[in-house]
Amino acid sequence: QVQLVQSGAEVKKPGASVKVSCKASGYTFTSYYMHWVRQAPGQGLEWMGIINPSGGSTSYAQKFQGRVTMTRDTSTSTVYMELSSLRSEDTAVYYCARDREYCSGGSCSRVIDYWGQGTLVTVSS
Amino acid sequence: QLVLTQSPSASASLGASVKLTCTLSSGHSSYAIAWHQQQPEKGPRYLMKLNSDGSHSKGDGIPDRFSGSSSGAERYLTISSLQSEDEADYYCQTWGTGMVFGGGTKLTVL
Repeated sequence: QVQLVQSGAEVKKPGASVKVSCKASGYTFTSYYMHWVRQAPGQGLEWMGIINPSGGSTSYAQKFQGRVTMTRDTSTSTVYMELSSLRSEDTAVYYCARDREYCSGGSCSRVIDYWGQGTLVTVSS
Repeated sequence: QLVLTQSPSASASLGASVKLTCTLSSGHSSYAIAWHQQQPEKGPRYLMKLNSDGSHSKGDGIPDRFSGSSSGAERYLTISSLQSEDEADYYCQTWGTGMVFGGGTKLTVL
């Protein structure tokens, strides 16, 4: 069965960086893109970006451009999300989520079909 | 601009049915969406992909009580025979130039 297992909770000071990992199993790692989504306390879901585990190409939400880096290690079927210059507003649960692409009649759509368990990142002085 | 609009809250009685709505912004009525459920203090869970023609494909282990339908720019999630564990936040999601989420609907089971 598909499993996405994330690293544990982190506490960071403002200005620092955090790197969250997500280890995939139960499917061919390089065949599915991976998203990162975050959720601040009491808030909704916010998309951060997507990585292609096959070639390593990425696309980031404009809000996080310049602060986020997504990478992968195909030898361990793991994707990583690093967020720099942390501020208190970055306190949130961060999720990795597997992408499923559907193409029909020349147009394609993407959905998330599996989620990791989430990693709480707390930014506090 | 691609936007998904959801009512902030909904409620229905135990054993009854409820229909949640997600509305696509103007010009995007052909888009497929996905529905996700987030129970209290848990991570989200994928429920189904829902196409503009109402056809849908559910995720692993999703009960038959959950179904989807579409009308124009509106996408619906119907939950029948409501159970206490259905009390959760429900998010719709689609893809444009990036992933877009609706604001979520908090469902209360009375």
